[in-house]
Amino acid sequence: KAGVTQTPRYLIKTRGQQVTLSCSPISGHRSVSWYQQTPGQGLQFLFEYFSETQRNKGNFPGRFSGRQFSNSRSEMNVSTLELGDSALYLCASSFARYNTEAFFGQGTRLTVV
Amino acid sequence: GNSVTQMEGPVTLSEEAFLTINCTYTATGYPSLFWYVQYPGEGLQLLLKATKADDKGSNKGFEATYRKETTSFHLEKGSVQVSDSAVYFCALSDPAGNQFYFGTGTSLTVIP
Repeated sequence: KAGVTQTPRYLIKTRGQQVTLSCSPISGHRSVSWYQQTPGQGLQFLFEYFSETQRNKGNFPGRFSGRQFSNSRSEMNVSTLELGDSALYLCASSFARYNTEAFFGQGTRLTVV
Repeated sequence: GNSVTQMEGPVTLSEEAFLTINCTYTATGYPSLFWYVQYPGEGLQLLLKATKADDKGSNKGFEATYRKETTSFHLEKGSVQVSDSAVYFCALSDPAGNQFYFGTGTSLTVIP
């Protein structure tokens, strides 16, 4: 069974640009969550999608957005990039929404210069 | 609210030493508890989980017991190997919504 696939693995962007990251969950998993990992803040929850609807959102500015498609694949978008957005972005997929383990992808390393 | 407090690192141990990484939590309701491991340049891998009080999760020689009375989920391994060198994260899953709360991570280095 294929794992969670995130593309691209690495990105370098300039301040002010926007970026789109992609996540393909494990086949049959309908819940996709996104996390930001930085050395200073650790792992922080961005948002969760289930059945194409955002179900939960973390404490991030509106520049961070996402969506989920009918095949459960998800994208997240960051507009007007800031230096502080440099981080590892991790996608996690779960079969169900509650009290179940999440399987993480390898992440996308975003560097903003 | 929900939060996880994890033992600060880094931790350096000799091969075959005993490992304990402390983890305590604060939660509303009855969360599930997890340990994840992250190797350099990789995402998080599920190590073990426990879904209710007194459950013991175990995998690859690692164990952790869900202690509701002490709100703890300490990770233990009797004999570590060099290949166990990684960063370990304790996490809880909020039962009211599909969101994980992670500890700050504990870096473990095992030397031969």
